Amino acid sequence: NAGVMQNPRHLVRRRGQEARLRCSPMKGHSHVYWYRQLPEEGLKFMVYLQKENIIDESGMPKERFSAEFPKEGPSILRIQQVVRGDSAAYFCASSPSTGWDEKLFFGSGTQLSVL
Amino acid sequence: SQQGEEDPQALSIQEGENATMNCSYKTSINNLQWYRQNSGRGLVHLILIRSNEREKHSGRLRVTLDTSKKSSSLLITASRAADTASYFCATVYSSASKIIFGSGTRLSIRP
Repeated sequence: NAGVMQNPRHLVRRRGQEARLRCSPMKGHSHVYWYRQLPEEGLKFMVYLQKENIIDESGMPKERFSAEFPKEGPSILRIQQVVRGDSAAYFCASSPSTGWDEKLFFGSGTQLSVL
Repeated sequence: SQQGEEDPQALSIQEGENATMNCSYKTSINNLQWYRQNSGRGLVHLILIRSNEREKHSGRLRVTLDTSKKSSSLLITASRAADTASYFCATVYSSASKIIFGSGTRLSIRP
């Protein structure tokens, strides 16, 4: 049973370009979380999705950022018109349900560098 | 912010010693979890303690929860070099659907 798969592992973009980060949850998991981490800091919650639904996007910037988790295929975190401040590690995590005792399974992250 | 806060931010101890990390949070929680992150990698779940539990053990890990003080501690006994990592507490709030992580404790084990 493969773990949470994130790709690409590293992504380099120039200012103004678009960044698309992909996350395939563990098999059987229908809940996906996205977090952002700056060096030497903790994880900042961005968005929580279930299949085809955004449950909580309170951590997402109002502009340029969007996320989806379609019925088929991976979850996508999309950043339009990237700026240098978007450079960070973006982690995806999945869980099988929304039970309060559920633990998260993390991917290895995507390191986004904006030139 | 509903984020938990870990204390200390960094901890360096000798191999074989015990390491204690603390986490404080702000509002009522359903459970509290501890995760570990090795440099450049994703987080790995270590242990979960429910709001009605006071102590839990898993191997060399011991977690306590004091809901009256809104705090938790993670004790790693007989530390090893391989325990070098960052450790994060994560809280599932009663009123929220998301899991919030603290700022982490960077643990270094000296050989």
